[in-house]
Amino acid sequence: DPKIIQKPKYLVAVTGSEKILICEQYLGHNAMYWYRQSAKKPLEFMFSYSYQKLMDNQTASSRFQPQSSKKNHLDLQITALKPDDSATYFCASSQDYRARSDYTFGSGTRLLVI
Amino acid sequence: DAKTTQPDSMESTEGETVHLPCSHATISGNEYIYWYRQVPLQGPEYVTHGLQQNTTNSMAFLAIASDRKSSTLILPHVSLRDAAVYHCILSTSNTGYQNFYFGKGTSLTVIP
Repeated sequence: DPKIIQKPKYLVAVTGSEKILICEQYLGHNAMYWYRQSAKKPLEFMFSYSYQKLMDNQTASSRFQPQSSKKNHLDLQITALKPDDSATYFCASSQDYRARSDYTFGSGTRLLVI
Repeated sequence: DAKTTQPDSMESTEGETVHLPCSHATISGNEYIYWYRQVPLQGPEYVTHGLQQNTTNSMAFLAIASDRKSSTLILPHVSLRDAAVYHCILSTSNTGYQNFYFGKGTSLTVIP
């Protein structure tokens, strides 16, 4: 059973629309993260949360807003979508923001903006 | 910013032992060396990590140079399932907000 569930697996959106990417982890972790991987580019860190509190934000655009309704949830809302937002978005988690050997990634949501 | 340098690609034959090099000349004293691997359509998977001493687990052996400016991930008896992009990353473990900054990694091809 997957320990980190990302939904949906694939998503096609129209330019200017808004979408929410879902992430749930069942590892009992207290820290959660979002990363983005655009075509042929390295994985890029976006956000980190610890105990549902924002710890670090490396995303320049306010169009990307994480939302944590529960400790094991960290969704990513993206507004005013642009074609450049097309990428695979990975959610990750770890026991806390300092623990690294248990840092676990989900299998990603592939977003295509047309 | 990725603070490590890795070859873009390497090739090996099934059953061989593969040595994946990583250079991190500006590594700080409290930075750990992490290795992750990623196959297409999947998120990165933890392989191993170390600070100063060589480490070993069921997946790999990590050899760290005495000056810590380089390391080598050693994969014994590779199989086709080991074909992936291997990322060498530095991460501080005891300060807040440190996160992984990935580079392009080394794409390992395994030939049957």
